[in-house]
Amino acid sequence: AQTVTQSQPEMSVQEAETVTLSCTYDTSESDYYLFWYKQPPSRQMILVIRQEAYKQQNATENRFSVNFQKAAKSFSLKISDSQLGDAAMYFCAYSRGNNRLAFGKGNQVVVIP
Amino acid sequence: ETGVTQSPTHLIKTRGQQVTLRCSSQSGHNTVSWYQQALGQGPQFIFQYYREEENGRGNFPPRFSGLQFPNYSSELNVNALELDDSALYLCASSLAISGGFNEQFFGPGTRLTVL
Repeated sequence: AQTVTQSQPEMSVQEAETVTLSCTYDTSESDYYLFWYKQPPSRQMILVIRQEAYKQQNATENRFSVNFQKAAKSFSLKISDSQLGDAAMYFCAYSRGNNRLAFGKGNQVVVIP
Repeated sequence: ETGVTQSPTHLIKTRGQQVTLRCSSQSGHNTVSWYQQALGQGPQFIFQYYREEENGRGNFPPRFSGLQFPNYSSELNVNALELDDSALYLCASSLAISGGFNEQFFGPGTRLTVL
């Protein structure tokens, strides 16, 4: 079974600064997908960014970017120019393409004005 | 385009009872997945339905069962409720096409409390 590990349960960042969330995963597959989801207090999971394992280029979506290290099985999320609306739980997730997601325990991001 | 909706929003049951949670998938989606999110944890995959058939199951006992209807909406049924079943239940819909991963769109969840 695939496992996804997130350490640092809570991260604080000053508004406009940068924060990086760490994620490691365990898999024996060579083709898979990695994701970062945001869950605000409204509880609805929102996809932030996705990475296909066969792509060497790191994914970026506006202020969000990832550092994907396939050999190290590491997948970190960088939030640049943090905004108050970025405050939420962030979950790292894995899928081997069967549309089933395996999530980590999450990181709480607190944005300080 | 209507997003994923779930009902009810909150629910309180007692141990041993049965509960049914409902999910309406996003328009045009044919796959529904259910997840259980205990407090302070990430969501855990329960099962998935594709075109009214179960299409994969996580590590959950048989008292967790589901249905998918011709309009692709879905139900999650839990029998003989236990205290540990208290959690947020998330539904996610997607359009399954061959190959790759199809983005899942999540509903706001149903908060179940078992007393």
